[in-house]
Amino acid sequence: DTGVSQNPRHKITKRGQNVTFRCDPISEHNRLYWYRQTLGQGPEFLTYFQNEAQLEKSRLLSDRFSAERPKGSFSTLEIQRTEQGDSAMYLCASSLALLNSGNTIYFGEGSWLTVV
Amino acid sequence: AQSVTQLDSHVSVSEGTPVLLRCNYSSSYSPSLFWYVQHPNKGLQLLLKYTSAATLVKGINGFEAEFKKSETSFHLTKPSAHMSDAAEYFCVRASSNTGKLIFGQGTTLQVKP
Repeated sequence: DTGVSQNPRHKITKRGQNVTFRCDPISEHNRLYWYRQTLGQGPEFLTYFQNEAQLEKSRLLSDRFSAERPKGSFSTLEIQRTEQGDSAMYLCASSLALLNSGNTIYFGEGSWLTVV
Repeated sequence: AQSVTQLDSHVSVSEGTPVLLRCNYSSSYSPSLFWYVQHPNKGLQLLLKYTSAATLVKGINGFEAEFKKSETSFHLTKPSAHMSDAAEYFCVRASSNTGKLIFGQGTTLQVKP
């Protein structure tokens, strides 16, 4: 078990550029989540997948954001035409099936995005 | 709507003294509740979780939390703070509808020497 892996860990980009983050979940986990965290705030839910199906998207996820999990393993989060307000840490997490059954959600170290 | 409220945004204690971080949740049938810790520039680490088994839950690093249904609370405690406990702590619940996590606003724990 190597944990949830995210890369790049840090990204500085100019406003208007596109960025992509990758998340590799724990290998047997079928659920994968993306959260966004800004300074001084708790993480906010963006979207989650069960296997390759994207089951829910937050209203926070504007049409500039897209997430995929093509083979039900790793996932990518792409932000197009970045804005300064997109500066945040993007957290990926994974778990087995439903949380209410006692399974735990494990987080990666996060990917920091700074838009200048 | 399901939610969690952390009652203190900042808690300061002296090393070796008890820690109490307070959390209340909106009423729900059998919620799943968690405490996570986040050290600066790091991801989130699970401290402990409650899933309707024992009401007193023991976690890592000497932390524990007690689920009190009558008070809709899930406060986090530790008998003796250590300098390494200084971090951000999040009380979290799992949505009973979707399974996704709902975070409180966080409590910053400062530990003074």
